[in-house]
Amino acid sequence: GEDVEQSLFLSVREGDSSVINCTYTDSSSTYLYWYKQEPGAGLQLLTYIFSNMDMKQDQRLTVLLNKKDKHLSLRIADTQTGDSAIYFCADGGTGGYNKLIFGAGTRLAVHP
Amino acid sequence: DAGVIQSPRHEVTEMGQEVTLRCKPISGHNSLFWYRQTMMRGLELLIYFNNNVPIDDSGMPEDRFSAKMPNASFSTLKIQPSEPRDSAVYFCASSLGTGNTIYFGEGSWLTVV
Repeated sequence: GEDVEQSLFLSVREGDSSVINCTYTDSSSTYLYWYKQEPGAGLQLLTYIFSNMDMKQDQRLTVLLNKKDKHLSLRIADTQTGDSAIYFCADGGTGGYNKLIFGAGTRLAVHP
Repeated sequence: DAGVIQSPRHEVTEMGQEVTLRCKPISGHNSLFWYRQTMMRGLELLIYFNNNVPIDDSGMPEDRFSAKMPNASFSTLKIQPSEPRDSAVYFCASSLGTGNTIYFGEGSWLTVV
């Protein structure tokens, strides 16, 4: 079945850029998503990218999609301590219905 | 706009008790999802409703779990009887039809002792 994989941990210094990577297996995926989960909170939609796009930028966030390699990345510019959270990559599939397949999440730690 | 609203936010119950989790989707959304999050298994889809009708319940763990959506603005997830291994965060989410972004509630944090 479909699978989404992410590295589990990332540590960066405040002010640096963070890059969180994700790979997925479903080559027919239409939408790919990034969600953020802060401690004790729910999942907050950060951004998404449609499969016919290579890049999407939204303020400090840049999403890159390499459809050939089925690789998705989330870059956070000027990372702040408030960005410390778990970031989930999710494969939205081909529609029909939104059965999101989530990765295990990448825990981002931002240190001074 | 109010997001997806879940209750209770936290519940601690004894093994064998019935647990009922509640969800109010975003107004106008016609797709509703129940997810479970655990350390071991991550995020798992339990059940999906479209226009109040269960479409896919293949993720429901066993007969102890049941979900209903009596109308467009309310859904419940019930566990009877509860077991310690049911301890998890249960998320409700909704979207405006298929192929659209899914928005999550804050979750119900369940501990079964």
